[in-house]
Amino acid sequence: NAGVTQTPKFRILKIGQSMTLQCTQDMNHNYMYWYRQDPGMGLKLIYYSVGAGITDKGEVPNGYNVSRSTTEDFPLRLELAAPSQTSVYFCASSYSGGGGWGYTFGSGTRLTVV
Amino acid sequence: KNEVEQSPQNLTAQEGEFITINCSYSVGISALHWLQQHPGGGIVSLFMLSSGKKKHGRLIATINIQEKHSSLHITASHPRDSAVYICAVSSVLEYGNKLVFGAGTILRVKS
Repeated sequence: NAGVTQTPKFRILKIGQSMTLQCTQDMNHNYMYWYRQDPGMGLKLIYYSVGAGITDKGEVPNGYNVSRSTTEDFPLRLELAAPSQTSVYFCASSYSGGGGWGYTFGSGTRLTVV
Repeated sequence: KNEVEQSPQNLTAQEGEFITINCSYSVGISALHWLQQHPGGGIVSLFMLSSGKKKHGRLIATINIQEKHSSLHITASHPRDSAVYICAVSSVLEYGNKLVFGAGTILRVKS
């Protein structure tokens, strides 16, 4: 099993550009999440999904959008990149219920907006 | 006040030392997770526990539900243990399956 696969690993964007961060999992997890990690801060939840076709906002959703058309894929879209979105982004997945059983993280995407 | 507090924020140890990282939280939880992140690397789940104690190799995690406190211990520390250790809690009632994270403890083990 590959687990949770994120692409790209690194990206530099100019202010105002758009991009999609890809996330795929092959563990048949219902729950998927996008987090951002800023230096010295804990990970913050951007969006999450409890199953295909269902998404909901986390703590810091502004400037981002998601979709969940299949169980496997959970892409994160940045529409108009801003310097405040410079961060490391992690996708994760878990089984439903049980407080996060099987929580698995992707390897991260380091995004710089200049 | 953060819902999940870790201490210390930074820790430097000599190889072979016994290390303890602490985590306190403020809500009733379903489970507590300990995660490890090497510099520039991804995040790996070390433990998920809801009571008692778990051990994996040189790592031991304990939790006291009544005191809302958990500790991660590393015995016979080694430079390869140098990483950020992150405590996170899940509460099905409060957060669904989402995790709430501490800010992390940066551990450096010197040889």
